[in-house]
Amino acid sequence: AQKVTQAQTEISVVEKEDVTLDCVYETRDTTYYLFWYKQPPSGELVFLIRRNSFDEQNEISGRYSWNFQKSTSSFNFTITASQVVDSAVYFCALSEQRGGSQGNLIFGKGTKLSVKP
Amino acid sequence: DAEITQSPRHKITETGRQVTLACHQTWNHNNMFWYRQDLGHGLRLIHYSYGVHDTNKGEVSDGYSVSRSNTEDLPLTLESAASSQTSVYFCASSVGQAWNEQFFGPGTRLTVL
Repeated sequence: AQKVTQAQTEISVVEKEDVTLDCVYETRDTTYYLFWYKQPPSGELVFLIRRNSFDEQNEISGRYSWNFQKSTSSFNFTITASQVVDSAVYFCALSEQRGGSQGNLIFGKGTKLSVKP
Repeated sequence: DAEITQSPRHKITETGRQVTLACHQTWNHNNMFWYRQDLGHGLRLIHYSYGVHDTNKGEVSDGYSVSRSNTEDLPLTLESAASSQTSVYFCASSVGQAWNEQFFGPGTRLTVL
């Protein structure tokens, strides 16, 4: 069965620290897509990144980087030199193609990141 | 600019009442989704639609219904509200393929007393 696990419920760091948010997924599909969303205190959900199962290249966008490893079924998210504005709940999500699915997302339970000044 | 809106943003109702939450998108997306967010559960899929007149049940569909009469709207109805349906509800839309990201509305906070 498909599943996304974010084992870290809450993380607290001090500004400028690096922090990694873990995401482990389960799927029987060979074609799938992984996403990260950010939910700041204001409550909206903001798309951060998408990765497909055939592309294991790591991605870097400014202070954000993502490490996708199929061998360990993980799609971890690292924030370098964290800032107070990074404080949010971060969700990892999985989308499969099997069964005619057109993007139904299976979410992890989220990791609440608090960055203190 | 294209957007996705939800109304009302906050709603308090009583057990047993019928409640309808509106979702309207101007992206012209085929796919629309309803999720609920609860502490300790993340977001869970309630219902989804891949096009006009198409509706499907998600993981937690009991007590909810949707209908899709046009591309822009997917209203979510709670037939007889229960306290267990107190939650934050998010509507989302996407172009139509598994690899497309979903765009989320601002959410509706529903309290059932």
